[in-house]
Amino acid sequence: GESVGLHLPTLSVQEGDNSIINCAYSNSASDYFIWYKQESGKGPQFIIDIRSNMDKRQGQRVTVLLNKTVKHLSLQIAATQPGDSAVYFCADLYGNNRLAFGKGNQVVVIP
Amino acid sequence: ETGVTQTPRHLVMGMTNKKSLKCEQHLGHNAMYWYKQSAKKPLELMFVYSLEERVENNSVPSRFSPECPNSSHLFLHLHTLQPEDSALYLCASSQGAYSNYGYTFGSGTRLTVV
Repeated sequence: GESVGLHLPTLSVQEGDNSIINCAYSNSASDYFIWYKQESGKGPQFIIDIRSNMDKRQGQRVTVLLNKTVKHLSLQIAATQPGDSAVYFCADLYGNNRLAFGKGNQVVVIP
Repeated sequence: ETGVTQTPRHLVMGMTNKKSLKCEQHLGHNAMYWYKQSAKKPLELMFVYSLEERVENNSVPSRFSPECPNSSHLFLHLHTLQPEDSALYLCASSQGAYSNYGYTFGSGTRLTVV
């Protein structure tokens, strides 16, 4: 079955440093990937997405990298700020257009 | 505010109670979803509604009963729940079922079953 998971449960990062969150997916047919951010007491919020015909996409302070060869996805956050403290989920679209979510990775920004 | 509003934000109910969760979206979307989020587990898809018709029910126990009276409103009726049903229940919407553009989530209802 589909499996989307995150390598590290918690990432502590100094304010101002860059953060990298990794995600592995198992379905080679997946063609659309999304990163969500979930702050305490809120629902997941869309951050950035990427399609399988791309290997990199940039947003404001965030970059998503896709390596289809090893089925690996990463989210890079530049100049991490206290407001970036949250749980980050990767999700991929598979099968009958279902979104499969990973377990989540907690990012803690140290002032 | 994301455009998807869930009420109540918190709910404590006994195992013999009947309660309902409400979700409302103001985005003009035509698909709505219920997800369950438990600690240290991936989000679990419970129900999918597209154009007010239920198109998916992922083996959810019958003590959870969804209702979608129109494309803007979604309810989850709860009765005789178990303590293991305690979780964050998230509603989401999208333009088209299984949208290629992701979903917009509400803030969730934190449910505690005692």
